Amino acid sequence: NAGVTQTPKFQVLKTGQSMTLQCAQDMNHEYMSWYRQDPGMGLRLIHYSVGAGITDQGEVPNGYNVSRSTTEDFPLRLLSAAPSQTSVYFCASSYGWLSGSRSEQYFGPGTRLTVT
Amino acid sequence: GDSVTQMEGPVTLSEEAFLTINCTYTATGYPSLFWYVQYPGEGLQLLLKATKADDKGSNKGFEATYRKETTSFHLEKGSVQVSDSAVYFCALKGSQGNLIFGKGTKLSVKP
Repeated sequence: NAGVTQTPKFQVLKTGQSMTLQCAQDMNHEYMSWYRQDPGMGLRLIHYSVGAGITDQGEVPNGYNVSRSTTEDFPLRLLSAAPSQTSVYFCASSYGWLSGSRSEQYFGPGTRLTVT
Repeated sequence: GDSVTQMEGPVTLSEEAFLTINCTYTATGYPSLFWYVQYPGEGLQLLLKATKADDKGSNKGFEATYRKETTSFHLEKGSVQVSDSAVYFCALKGSQGNLIFGKGTKLSVKP
């Protein structure tokens, strides 16, 4: 298994540009989520999905869009990039989303995004 | 709402020293608790977890006990190595299925 994969690893955007961060998992996990990591802030949830066709907002959803057309893929779209979106983005997945031993989350390697 | 507070870093220790990183939480009920580790330039890896009160999670010499009386989940290791240098995150399982993280503690171990 490749686990959770993310592309690209690094990206530089200009203010106002749009782009899509890709996330894929090959573990047949139902639950997928996107976090952003900022210095001194830990990780904060952007959007999440409990299954194909179902998405919901997390703590910091503004400026981001998601869709879940397949179990494997969960892309994150930046609609109009802003310097405040400079961050490291992590995708995570788990078999389930309720508490329990099968709900352990697996993280991708991250995408480092800089918006100038 | 639910939250996690962990000790601020950075923490610098000599090899073979004892490590404690404090973590306390605020939550409704008794959520699952986790410690994740992030090595430089990498994503997060689950280090250990506990799913109910009094559970002890352990892995790679690290331990943490779920204490509901003190709402704590402190991370300990008896003898750290240079290879343990990383950022450590305490987290709890939120009601949306997400993880709610502390801000992270950077550990540097000197030879």
